[in-house]
Amino acid sequence: KAGVTQTPRYLIKTRGQQVTLSCSPISGHRSVSWYQQTPGQGLQFLFEYFSETQRNKGNFPGRFSGRQFSNSRSEMNVSTLELGDSALYLCASSLEGSGANVLTFGAGSRLTVL
Amino acid sequence: LAKTTQPISMDSYEGQEVNITCSHNNIATNDYITWYQQFPSQGPRFIIQGYKTKVTNEVASLFIPADRKSSTLSLPRVSLSDTAVYYCLVGATSGTYKYIFGTGTRLKVLA
Repeated sequence: KAGVTQTPRYLIKTRGQQVTLSCSPISGHRSVSWYQQTPGQGLQFLFEYFSETQRNKGNFPGRFSGRQFSNSRSEMNVSTLELGDSALYLCASSLEGSGANVLTFGAGSRLTVL
Repeated sequence: LAKTTQPISMDSYEGQEVNITCSHNNIATNDYITWYQQFPSQGPRFIIQGYKTKVTNEVASLFIPADRKSSTLSLPRVSLSDTAVYYCLVGATSGTYKYIFGTGTRLKVLA
């Protein structure tokens, strides 16, 4: 059974650019959630999608956006990159996104903003 | 939404049993408790989940007292490879849900 796949694994951008990250969930999982992890802030929830609808959003500016496709694959986009956006971006999938569901995480996309 | 509190860090020696406690005072009736382990530059991975009393699997045990305001992850006979950050997560079985991870506990296993 394939795990959660995130692409790209590493990327370098410069300030002001935008970036799109992709997440392919485990087959059959309909919920995808995204997180930003930095050494100083830990694991922070960005947003969660279920059946192509954003159900929850964390406390991040509007530069951070996402979407989910009909096959449950998800993308997140960060526009007008800032140095502080350098982080490991993780996505996780689960069956339905409830608290009783186990989250399966991908390996992450490490973004460096110069 | 239940907020969790854990010790920031713990040290242990190989072969010892390690207990990490998570406080979740405002846990709701429908909330489950789930623990994850994270190694550097990797995504967290599931360890164990429970609702009440005790749950045991091949890698850990989870103890939940009757009031469910805390939970304790027990790792038997730790090895150097157990050095990682451990997170507890509390969430409901239904309804919209935000996955709010606490600071996690950084466990360092010493030889």
